[in-house]
Amino acid sequence: GDSVTQMEGPVTLSEEAFLTINCTYTATGYPSLFWYVQYPGEGLQLLLKATKADDKGSNKGFEATYRKETTSFHLEKGSVQVSDSAVYFCALRVQGGKLIFGQGTELSVKP
Amino acid sequence: GAVVSQHPSRVICKSGTSVKIECRSLDFQATTMFWYRQFPKKSLMLMATSNEGSKATYEQGVEKDKFLINHASLTLSTLTVTSAHPEDSSFYICSAGLASDTQYFGPGTRLTVL
Repeated sequence: GDSVTQMEGPVTLSEEAFLTINCTYTATGYPSLFWYVQYPGEGLQLLLKATKADDKGSNKGFEATYRKETTSFHLEKGSVQVSDSAVYFCALRVQGGKLIFGQGTELSVKP
Repeated sequence: GAVVSQHPSRVICKSGTSVKIECRSLDFQATTMFWYRQFPKKSLMLMATSNEGSKATYEQGVEKDKFLINHASLTLSTLTVTSAHPEDSSFYICSAGLASDTQYFGPGTRLTVL
């Protein structure tokens, strides 16, 4: 069945470090792919999305490219800030609008 | 942007009682809403898809008689946890979908069953 696998956390980085959070997926067809972020004590917010192969989603300095050949949608940011500390979820959208989430990756950025 | 609210934000109840959680889309109409459950340090698990004016579609393993879902209007869906038990304690999150296929999430409801 459809599934999403993310790298396990927690990930701890120093401010201004480069961030990569790996995400791979298994799906039939060509799903839309998403990254959601959950800040402490808050609900999920859409960070970025890509709807077809080779699309690049970007927002707030984060970006991810839909790679069909490697079934991946890795999240990257060139220089993280303390305010980026949160849990990041990779997700794919299947038929009917359902979202299937990865297990989440907790990011902690130290000053 | 699109805003989804949930009420209450947290609730504590006694075992055996029922709890209702409301999910509202504040500035858009949503024909479809989704209910998720999130365990500590875990991902979101889809419980059911709620369609306005029709019965909800439950995911495998989710008891429909225990988790009653009603989508009374294009802006309101409710989840009622009936005869709650401590194992039902969790963080319940709803989302509402737009035609653009993006889902917007509510802030969640923390349920604690004593």
